[in-house]
Amino acid sequence: DGGITQSPKYLFRKEGQNVTLSCEQNLNHDAMYWYRQDPGQGLRLIYYSQIVNDFQKGDIAEGYSVSREKKESFPLTVTSAQKNPTAFYLCASSMQGSGNTIYFGEGSWLTVV
Amino acid sequence: AQSVTQLDSQVPVFEEAPVELRCNYSSSVSVYLFWYVQYPNQGLQLLLKYLSGSTLVKGINGFEAEFNKSQTSFHLRKPSVHISDTAEYFCAVSYTGFQKLVFGTGTRLLVSP
Repeated sequence: DGGITQSPKYLFRKEGQNVTLSCEQNLNHDAMYWYRQDPGQGLRLIYYSQIVNDFQKGDIAEGYSVSREKKESFPLTVTSAQKNPTAFYLCASSMQGSGNTIYFGEGSWLTVV
Repeated sequence: AQSVTQLDSQVPVFEEAPVELRCNYSSSVSVYLFWYVQYPNQGLQLLLKYLSGSTLVKGINGFEAEFNKSQTSFHLRKPSVHISDTAEYFCAVSYTGFQKLVFGTGTRLLVSP
């Protein structure tokens, strides 16, 4: 089935450790996104990529890094510099161009212990 | 700056009653408007979107929304809700020429029997 696959669904991390969240899509979409969701704050854009080997910072990029080496993959690394990383992370993708529907994965829960 | 306001954080309603979830956005320039639904611990699913044309947009699950440019609003309505409509609903806007979506903080719809 076509879609967006995020893994792992649940992840626990000790303070000071980096962690990478995986996102893979088989929709042949050019653009991919990472959002962070916190209760009562909606979704906030971390990074987005409109084409392979290129990506832009969103509104809350500090403490995060991404790569886009393949069209179908857009992993997100939460670094130890992220001060409050416990959140629900959503990966998304869309065709290129404004107005196109953005499709979301099922999300990954990251808890820092 | 682009922004979306969802004034109601929570809307309780009885089954089979009508409901309206309010959404206002910050700018009157050309926009694309979206409503997404999120069930617990899941990603977001598109309910409907407005790109151009008729201001009344019909979506899935019996929902509809009306674009009002003069009031910069895009309220979501359903004439008769079901228990299964209990979820969080997000309004989002993108501006023509920009692919990023800006989300509101969400409205939790609670449907009681």
